[in-house]
Amino acid sequence: KAGVTQTPRYLIKTRGQQVTLSCSPISGHRSVSWYQQTPGQGLQFLFEYFSETQRNKGNFPGRFSGRQFSNSRSEMNVSTLELGDSALYLCASSFGGRSTEAFFGQGTRLTVV
Amino acid sequence: AQTVTQSQPEMSVQEAETVTLSCTYDTSENNYYLFWYKQPPSRQMILVIRQEAYKQQNATENRFSVNFQKAAKSFSLKISDSQLGDTAMYFCAFMKHLFQGGSEKLVFGKGTKLTVNP
Repeated sequence: KAGVTQTPRYLIKTRGQQVTLSCSPISGHRSVSWYQQTPGQGLQFLFEYFSETQRNKGNFPGRFSGRQFSNSRSEMNVSTLELGDSALYLCASSFGGRSTEAFFGQGTRLTVV
Repeated sequence: AQTVTQSQPEMSVQEAETVTLSCTYDTSENNYYLFWYKQPPSRQMILVIRQEAYKQQNATENRFSVNFQKAAKSFSLKISDSQLGDTAMYFCAFMKHLFQGGSEKLVFGKGTKLTVNP
């Protein structure tokens, strides 16, 4: 079956702009989580959505937001981009419930110039 | 809050040899899961092995095994018969167990870059 698909793979944006990243989970998975990966901070949890509801949120400013649609696809939005937002953004999906195995996409590499 | 520490930023091993990656964690939880993820240059995180804290038996997946010491809060990964394809970043991760179900966030260590040399 198809894995977790993230689009686009690469993105270059200018400081001050906004960006939307997309994640399509594995079919049947209802939980989608987002992580930011940078060389300095490592992997940090952004938020998790389950059945269109945000269930968990990390310590990121309000410029970072997300949503999940009825087909479990998720989008992440970053407004007023800063240079420090340059990172690899990873999406992970799971069944939710008692499942603990998360499957990751290949990520979106965002560069802010 | 939980923390995960990987004290070896980089390691190298010869093909066919055995290597052990270290991980320690800090938590006040009694029920949780521990994971090792592999991230090759393709960037996709791949689950290598998982351990439930309530299980005393160490998890094993083919050439990969763990040494889980709950009292010491230690969770090391042993890779036997190392292969060139094992070259990657390896991340240790922690997740709280939710008795009522649901997914919890993964807390990752900073990673260990493993290079397998021919």
